[in-house]
Amino acid sequence: GQQVQQSPASLVLQEGENAELQCNFSSTATQLQWFYQSPGGSLVSLLSNPSGTKHTGRLTSTTVTKERRSSLHISSSQTTDSGTYLCAMSGGSNAKLTFGKGTKLSVKS
Amino acid sequence: EAAVTQSPRNKVTVTGGNVTLSCRQTNSHNYMYWYRQDTGHGLRLIHYSYGAGNLQIGDVPDGYKATRTTQEDFFLLLELASPSQTSLYFCASSDASERLFFGHGTKLSVL
Repeated sequence: GQQVQQSPASLVLQEGENAELQCNFSSTATQLQWFYQSPGGSLVSLLSNPSGTKHTGRLTSTTVTKERRSSLHISSSQTTDSGTYLCAMSGGSNAKLTFGKGTKLSVKS
Repeated sequence: EAAVTQSPRNKVTVTGGNVTLSCRQTNSHNYMYWYRQDTGHGLRLIHYSYGAGNLQIGDVPDGYKATRTTQEDFFLLLELASPSQTSLYFCASSDASERLFFGHGTKLSVL
């Protein structure tokens, strides 16, 4: 089945530093999404980016479909960015998203 | 923004007990999903649905039943709950673009 690997597992930054999160997957993705899970547990979709580069606010995602990888860049990190970032993908016409285990980000002031 | 409401927020039951988790979405999404989240495993798909009356098996379906009664409502049933089903359960819905919107989660403890 589909597998999704995220790295690093955890990351600690000082406020203002940039973060680079990686996602690698085992099969061609027709759908690739990044999610944020708050320390309280709520999950929010950040962006959907099955190929190319996409920007929203301080977030930039780059997905290279044929290399089966995606990255999420967070610029000028803030303490409120702390939480877990999840990558999820699906392949073919399947609506099933498979999630990675996430990158836990801590931003210190 | 899509609204997905789960109930209850917390549930404690005993081994062998009967539990129903409820989920309602109010944005006419066709797809609805039930996930469980456990430390070390991440989010895993239990069951999902393409529409009222439709059910699809996810990746970890054993011990769970689901029913999609309407476009809005998706239920997860644990008929003989076991301690291994202690977990955080998330319901989600999606539109044609497959962007997922999650509920706030239900914390289930099976003693």
